[in-house]
Amino acid sequence: EAGVAQSPRYKIIEKRQSVAFWCNPISGHATLYWYQQILGQGPKLLIQFQNNGVVDDSQLPKDRFSAERLKGVDSTLKIQPAKLEDSAVYLCASSLEGAAKNIQYFGAGTRLSVL
Amino acid sequence: AQRVTQPEKLLSVFKGAPVELKCNYSYSGSPELFWYVQYSRQRLQLLLRHISRESIKGFTADLNKGETSFHLKKPFAQEEDSAMYYCALRANFGNEKLTFGTGTRLTIIP
Repeated sequence: EAGVAQSPRYKIIEKRQSVAFWCNPISGHATLYWYQQILGQGPKLLIQFQNNGVVDDSQLPKDRFSAERLKGVDSTLKIQPAKLEDSAVYLCASSLEGAAKNIQYFGAGTRLSVL
Repeated sequence: AQRVTQPEKLLSVFKGAPVELKCNYSYSGSPELFWYVQYSRQRLQLLLRHISRESIKGFTADLNKGETSFHLKKPFAQEEDSAMYYCALRANFGNEKLTFGTGTRLTIIP
């Protein structure tokens, strides 16, 4: 079974620039998550989708971050404009519905450096 | 709001010695607790969850509601156990999101 795919693996940008990350979840997984993991911290949920609807975006800085999952499959996370404190690994995860939702499968992540 | 605390950022243990990674949580309801692991150059993956009550790779974890703890234990450490370990909590109602601790880097000394 193919895992959660993310691209790019690494991205270096200057502050105030824009950046986008892409995620393709495991086939059949209805729930998709974006996490931000700052160095030395655990992953922090930014946004959770159920199919193409947003379940939780309470910790998403909406003035600069946006995410979409238009067809209920792939998702993109965008930062515009980036700040220095956005430097982190951005993880995408997916899970099945129901009780199996407890098990999240993670992608390899995108490491963002904002200079 | 839920919170997960892993008091040790780093833990070094000799091969063959017992391992205990500590995890404490604060949550007013009845949570579900998980341990996730990230081996070198691999992605984050589920190790075990308290509702399964199973041993994975020799690791066990018991949910102690009185002490609000979910410590991860293994009687005899192996070199391949070296990794980053994250404790996580899921609320039993609402959006059911996972809240992670800050992680413990476990190093097994040969």
